[in-house]
Amino acid sequence: NAGVTQTPKFRILKIGQSMTLQCAQDMNHNYMYWYRQDPGMGLKLIYYSVGAGITDKGEVPNGYNVSRSTTEDFPLRLELAAPSQTSVYFCASSYFGGGNTDTQYFGPGTRLTVL
Amino acid sequence: KQEVTQIPAALSVPEGENLVLNCSFTDSAIYNLQWFRQDPGKGLTSLLLIQSSQREQTSGRLNASLDKSSGRSTLYIAASQPGDSATYLCAVNYGQNFVFGPGTRLSVLP
Repeated sequence: NAGVTQTPKFRILKIGQSMTLQCAQDMNHNYMYWYRQDPGMGLKLIYYSVGAGITDKGEVPNGYNVSRSTTEDFPLRLELAAPSQTSVYFCASSYFGGGNTDTQYFGPGTRLTVL
Repeated sequence: KQEVTQIPAALSVPEGENLVLNCSFTDSAIYNLQWFRQDPGKGLTSLLLIQSSQREQTSGRLNASLDKSSGRSTLYIAASQPGDSATYLCAVNYGQNFVFGPGTRLSVLP
């Protein structure tokens, strides 16, 4: 299994540009998550999905959109990029989602810089 | 508000020392608590998961404890090695929401 994969690994955007961060998992997990990690900070939840066709906002959703048309894929869309969105973005997945033995599996991250 | 804090923010120790990392959380209604390791420029790797009904978990030189009533967890690393150098993150599972601490950056000096 490849686990959780993310593309691209690095990206530089200009203010106002848009882009999509790709995330895929091959573990048949029902739950998927997008986080951002700013320097010296923990991970902040942007959006999550409990299954295909179902998404919900996390702690910091403004400026982002998601969709979940398949179990495997959970892309994150940035519209009108702003410098405040400079961060490292992590995608994660889990099975069941929230059970007392549930754990998350993380992708390697996408480092995004907005200039 | 559900918050997770970690102390210390950074720690530097000589090789061979035993050390303790601390995690505190404000809401004790947890499903489980996990400790992750993050190497520079990499994703997160799960080290230990403690269920809400458990008091501790062990894996090799790592031992994690959980005191849900006081909102605390500790990660004990025995006989530290330079390869243990990384950032250690605590994450609390509240169901659909995982709340992460800011991490402790550990450096183990040869």
